[in-house]
Amino acid sequence: DTEVTQTPKHLVMGMTNKKSLKCEQHMGHRAMYWYKQKAKKPPELMFVYSYEKLSINESVPSRFSPECPNSSLLNLHLHALQPEDSALYLCASSQWERADTQYFGPGTRLTVL
Amino acid sequence: SQQGEEDPQALSIQEGENATMNCSYKTSINNLQWYRQNSGRGLVHLILIRSNEREKHSGRLRVTLDTSKKSSSLLITASRAADTASYFCATDQGAQKLVFGQGTRLTINP
Repeated sequence: DTEVTQTPKHLVMGMTNKKSLKCEQHMGHRAMYWYKQKAKKPPELMFVYSYEKLSINESVPSRFSPECPNSSLLNLHLHALQPEDSALYLCASSQWERADTQYFGPGTRLTVL
Repeated sequence: SQQGEEDPQALSIQEGENATMNCSYKTSINNLQWYRQNSGRGLVHLILIRSNEREKHSGRLRVTLDTSKKSSSLLITASRAADTASYFCATDQGAQKLVFGQGTRLTINP
């Protein structure tokens, strides 16, 4: 199984809402990533988890809160977002924590009203 | 920050023609990867070339790497409509993360 799954596919939320994005992989990968991608732009790294521990936080605002409950699961908790946070949120995983081949999920399209 | 630059930003060709896109970067790298992204979907890994390799092939894909010029090219031969997508290069610069280029939007016209 070489698939990374993400739920939900689409999410619309107000600025006062709290929501969560979920990512799952069953490839035994030890590193997992959250990216944010705006239209016609490359993915921007947000967080890296290595062996279930947060290893990189790219100075992301605290309204985004990542969580890695186990080696297969990665969550991104959202609270008090701004309209400019609307984007495609991509999850990825790789076998090791070094920057080798990454496997991406299909993404969650987030709209903040 | 995204440091890679890709050229051209957009490319439109006829089905059956070859497509070439280029990627330049600024620092030394461990490897360079190419990814494809269909509209609004996740990225798909295409090929990885290590810093000590100069050329690599995978099916209709050919990737070259010139570390002295800090550049790479991706050639897609005998293009098909299904190759329509955005293509990103990504470099491993040794900080446990990939740095993505700005991407090339490729359109294959039937």
